[in-house]
Amino acid sequence: AQTVTQSQPEMSVQEAETVTLSCTYDTSESDYYLFWYKQPPSRQMILVIRQEAYKQQNATENRFSVNFQKAAKSFSLKISDSQLGDAAMYFCAYRRGSNFGNEKLTFGTGTRLTIIP
Amino acid sequence: NAGVTQTPKFRILKIGQSMTLQCTQDMNHNYMYWYRQDPGMGLKLIYYSVGAGITDKGEVPNGYNVSRSTTEDFPLRLELAAPSQTSVYFCASSGRGNEQFFGPGTRLTVL
Repeated sequence: AQTVTQSQPEMSVQEAETVTLSCTYDTSESDYYLFWYKQPPSRQMILVIRQEAYKQQNATENRFSVNFQKAAKSFSLKISDSQLGDAAMYFCAYRRGSNFGNEKLTFGTGTRLTIIP
Repeated sequence: NAGVTQTPKFRILKIGQSMTLQCTQDMNHNYMYWYRQDPGMGLKLIYYSVGAGITDKGEVPNGYNVSRSTTEDFPLRLELAAPSQTSVYFCASSGRGNEQFFGPGTRLTVL
């Protein structure tokens, strides 16, 4: 079974600085997708970024980027120029590749990110 | 588009009561999911559906039932509520792409 591990329950960063959240996963599959979701106090799950395992290039979305190390099964999220609105729980998630879209997401336990003004 | 909507937002149940959590999506997605999120944890899959009339169990299905009579609706039924079912429940849907779109969640407390 696939597992996702987030070893940092809490992180904090000064506003405008850069922070990296860690995630490791375990799978025997070769085709899969990895995601970072943000959950602010409103509880809404918001997709931040996703990475296809077959792509060697790391995904980026504005201030958010990932460091995807497939051999090490590591998928960290870097947030640059941190803003107060980035404060939230961040979940790493894994999904087996499928052409049918019915594969479940397996989530880590989350990292609570605090932004210090 | 409203996306994925869930009702109610909050609910308190007594042990042994039953209720249905409603989920509706207007994106014409075939795939729908129910997750639960316990305090300090990630989401775990309860049930999912790949289309109208087709449902299957996820990781933690015990104590729940689902049905999918239409593409839009995927209600989750709790029979004989127990304190262990106190959680936040999320409904999600996806199309042929890989992104799952989540509803705002229902906070359920069983006392």
